[in-house]
Amino acid sequence: EPEVTQTPSHQVTQMGQEVILRCVPISNHLYFYWYRQILGQKVEFLVSFYNNEISEKSEIFDDQFSVERPDGSNFTLKIRSTKLEDSAMYFCASSRTGQETQYFGPGTRLLVL
Amino acid sequence: KNEVEQSPQNLTAQEGEFITINCSYSVGISALHWLQQHPGGGIVSLFMLSSGKKKHGRLIATINIQEKHSSLHITASHPRDSAVYICAVVSGGGADGLTFGKGTHLIIQP
Repeated sequence: EPEVTQTPSHQVTQMGQEVILRCVPISNHLYFYWYRQILGQKVEFLVSFYNNEISEKSEIFDDQFSVERPDGSNFTLKIRSTKLEDSAMYFCASSRTGQETQYFGPGTRLLVL
Repeated sequence: KNEVEQSPQNLTAQEGEFITINCSYSVGISALHWLQQHPGGGIVSLFMLSSGKKKHGRLIATINIQEKHSSLHITASHPRDSAVYICAVVSGGGADGLTFGKGTHLIIQP
């Protein structure tokens, strides 16, 4: 069964460093999402992406964040200058259409020191 | 902004019991999702519904659009059902992101 994959599974970085989190959505899916979950808190929406552009973004998704689909298969989330409060589990999800089930990747656990 | 509330926050039950988890939301939606999150963190979609009732194995999800309320039921619960169950809603169409509840932590004891 097709699945969403994410790399790396864990990343430790120093405050102020740039990180890129990678996702490979399910191949025939057209809608892509990033969510985050700070430890002990609920999952929060960051951004959605369709037709090579951002469709919707939350208040969390400020200028430090960017997303890209560089090669037709990967979907990346970049954090330009990480802060301590960026430490969280980051989930990628994809959906065939915007009205169907979203399939989640296993997540990347980011720790900013 | 939609507020999604789940109850109970924590639930411990004995194997075989019938389980009900409730979800309410404040603003009209286009769809509601029930998700399962295991201790390792992975999230699995269980149901997406916009009206009525859906059933998959021992899991049943219902939604009442007028009352802005949904329930997830587990029949003949089993220890492997132990997980966090999360309700999430989407208000618009297209690429709108999900708004999540805090989740219900379910433990089924043998």
